[in-house]
This record gives sequence, C-alpha cells and structure tokens, in this order.
Amino acid sequence: DAKTTQPPSMDCAEGRAANLPCNHSTISGNEYVYWYRQIHSQGPQYIIHGLKNNETNEMASLIITEDRKSSTLILPHATLRDTAVYYCIAANNAGKSTFGDGTTLTVKP
Amino acid sequence: KAGVTQTPRYLIKTRGQQVTLSCSPISGHRSVSWYQQTPGQGLQFLFEYFSETQRNKGNFPGRFSGRQFSNSRSEMNVSTLELGDSALYLCASTPGQGPTETQYFGPGTRLLVL
Repeated sequence: DAKTTQPPSMDCAEGRAANLPCNHSTISGNEYVYWYRQIHSQGPQYIIHGLKNNETNEMASLIITEDRKSSTLILPHATLRDTAVYYCIAANNAGKSTFGDGTTLTVKP
Repeated sequence: KAGVTQTPRYLIKTRGQQVTLSCSPISGHRSVSWYQQTPGQGLQFLFEYFSETQRNKGNFPGRFSGRQFSNSRSEMNVSTLELGDSALYLCASTPGQGPTETQYFGPGTRLLVL
C-alpha cells in the first residue's frame, strides 16, 4: 500500500466547502484512493473512493490529480456534524490497511 | 439489514490474562477485518479473514490471533495481555474481497488492561 500524507488538522466555517488534501506520491497503477471518516468514539464511515477519474456521491467529491500523486476530498457545504477525523488510504483492497493519523476537521459555527 | 456488531463493548483485564473479542458481520458479508486504535498509533490493521482463512496480516506479534467461522462470524484473541494492548478494537466487514467494496465498521470493543 502506498504511504499517504495528510495535514494533522484543519478548520472550516459552517456552510463553506471543506477541502481536505492527501498526498500519495508513490501510489501504483492499480491502487485506489479511499476516504473514510471517524466521528468521535464511533467506528469509521466510508465516504468515497476513486481510481483515476473524479468522483462524486451524496456525501462528497473526490478530485484526483492527473498524475495521481495527490487528491482532495471536498465536502461542499460543511455542517457541524462533519467534524471528524478524515482518513485517506491508497490501496487496492478496499482500504483494508493501516489508516494512519488522518486529518482532524473542525467545522466552526 | 443489521449492522456489524461487536461484543463485548467494554472489557477490563489485567496484565498476563488473555481476551477474546467477537464480531458478527453484516448478513451476507464474507470478509471480516480487525483493527486496533490507540491514541499514539492511530488506526492499525491487524488481519483480514475471508471464508474462514486469514488473507492478510498487519505487523502485530503472534499474541494477536483470530479465526472465522463458517457463518462468517469472527473472533480475535490476544494472549498474555500487556498494558499497551489497551485500545479500541474495531472490526469491519465487506461482501467479498473486491477493491471497490465498502468496509462497514462496528462500534468497537474498548479494552482496558490494568
């Protein structure tokens, strides 16, 4: 699995877009980028995944650079309930890997 | 469908004892993965079981073991407990082993070793 690097923390104003970056410069051709989040004391929750193309679902959008060395998770209209730790994983096994430390996103009113 | 369930939710043990944790996956899911979460080490992958066979293993000592039954339920065992084993143990299930499947996590078992 490729190593990923995320900023340890970020703040976002409620109602604004939250853009969470992830660096995965050593990602290989068959590895996907997965995003999960964990709200305090709960099990992680799947958000989105992608291989090459940008992806969007009801929760978020995933933008992957053309060289696949980095990606950005976008929460279009952050709410207080989006405050959580966000994990980016680069793997080819549905993310069944060590998640790392993630980014703690704090949405402020 | 019912979600992933884990029992017990909380557990207190002393050093040297052993412990067994249980995970029931979502009905129809055949893969169960286990994770350890501690404040200092983050969310670390322990192992994955699929169709009663261990398919992947993280970097943990042999004190950590698991098994999966024919109904896909899984157990994790930790022998000779150490203080550092205090953690939240999470399990997750997926239907199979495809790369695009979604992991569904249980609420976890919080283990305290005294």
